[in-house]
Amino acid sequence: NAGVTQTPKFQVLKTGQSMTLQCAQDMNHEYMSWYRQDPGMGLRLIHYSVGAGITDQGEVPNGYNVSRSTTEDFPLRLLSAAPSQTSVYFCASRPHRETGELFFGEGSRLTVL
Amino acid sequence: AQTVTQSQPEMSVQEAETVTLSCTYDTSESDYYLFWYKQPPSRQMILVIRQEAYKQQNATENRFSVNFQKAAKSFSLKISDSQLGDAAMYFCAYRSDYNTDKLIFGTGTRLQVFP
Repeated sequence: NAGVTQTPKFQVLKTGQSMTLQCAQDMNHEYMSWYRQDPGMGLRLIHYSVGAGITDQGEVPNGYNVSRSTTEDFPLRLLSAAPSQTSVYFCASRPHRETGELFFGEGSRLTVL
Repeated sequence: AQTVTQSQPEMSVQEAETVTLSCTYDTSESDYYLFWYKQPPSRQMILVIRQEAYKQQNATENRFSVNFQKAAKSFSLKISDSQLGDAAMYFCAYRSDYNTDKLIFGTGTRLQVFP
């Protein structure tokens, strides 16, 4: 099993550009989520999904869009990138009905100029 | 709203010694989970240890143990026999048993291990 796979690992964008961060998991987990990590602020929840076709907002959803058409994939879209979205992004998953740990991807570093 | 506070931005320890990382949290709920995650320079988030609030016994995983004080809302991590590979950022995190969709993180403690 590959676990949680994120692509790309690094990306540089110009203000106003759009892009998609990809996330895929091969563990058949129902729950998937996106976090962003900023210096001095820990990780904050952007969006999450409890199953295919179901998504909801987290703590900092503005400027991001998500969809969940399959159990495996949970892409995060930046519609019009802003410098404030410069961050490290983590995708995570877990079996929905369990109280166990989140499995994290390796993170994607995004820089918006 | 729940909050998690890690008051030590940086800590250091000598190899083979013991170090304790502090974490406090604020919640009005009685059922929840607490976690410690390790983030080495590779950026990967790795679960170190987990504590269920309903369990009075402190969780232990090899060299890692916690001191869970529910009344004081304190959840410290003790690392015994520290190794160079323990050097990393450590994050404390809270998850409600009523809203399991959100993990609330502290701001992290950077641990340095000196030989």
